[in-house]
Amino acid sequence: DIQMTQSPSSLSASVGDRVTITCQASQDISNYLNWYQQKPGKAPKLLIYAASNLETGVPSRFSGSGSGTDFTFTISSLQPEDIATYYCQQYDNLPYTFGQGTKLEIK
Amino acid sequence: QVTLKESGPVLVKPTETLTLTCTVSGFSLSNARMGVSWIRQPPGKALEWLAHIFSNDEKSYSTSLKSRLTISKDTSKSQVVLTMTNMDPVDTATYYCARMLEYGDYGNWFDPWGQGTLVTVSS
Repeated sequence: DIQMTQSPSSLSASVGDRVTITCQASQDISNYLNWYQQKPGKAPKLLIYAASNLETGVPSRFSGSGSGTDFTFTISSLQPEDIATYYCQQYDNLPYTFGQGTKLEIK
Repeated sequence: QVTLKESGPVLVKPTETLTLTCTVSGFSLSNARMGVSWIRQPPGKALEWLAHIFSNDEKSYSTSLKSRLTISKDTSKSQVVLTMTNMDPVDTATYYCARMLEYGDYGNWFDPWGQGTLVTVSS
C-alpha cells in the first residue's frame, strides 16, 4: 500500500496568514493526488484534484502543487471559515489511501 | 443534484456482521466513469478507505480488512451495500459512502460524500 504522510499534524495560524501543508507519498504517484477539507461534524469536501486543479466553486485562495512524491497545499490568506482538518488522498494505486490529516486552528 | 445517503444500524454487538446501505440519487450506478467507495472515520481520527465498486462491477478492498469486507451494488435500486463481519469495538466509526469520478489521467476524485452514519460497536 502507498503511505501518505502529512505534515504538520496540527497548525495554528492567524487570519490573513499564508498556510502550507505538505503531503509525501511513499512512492511516485505522479500527480494522482487530491485534497479534501473536513469541518467538524461534516463530511469531507473536495478542494483540489489531480494535485493542482481547483474544484469548481472553491475559493482561489486555495491551491495545490507537486508531483512524484512531494505535494503542497496552500491557503494564501487564511479566513475564519477555513478552520477544518485537511486530508490528502492518492489514487495512483489501489487501495486508495489518505494522509493522517492536518488540523488547522486560528491563533 | 447528486446525493448519497448511508443507512444501517446505529449499534452492533461484538462479533456481529454490519450491513450498511448507500442509496444514491442524481446518477446511475451503471454510468461509466463512476464508482462508489466506503470510507470510515473513528472518532477524532483520520479517514480510512475501506472498499470500492467500479461501474463495471469490479471491486477492491482495504488490504488490512479485505477478509471481513464485501461490497456489492443493486443498480435497479441505486444502492451500494457494504458488509463487515466480526465487528469489534475498534470498528466504532462514522461510515461514509462517496462517489468517485474516474477520468483517468485527468483525475479521479471523491465527490460528493454522504453525510455519514455513526456505528458504535458495544455489548
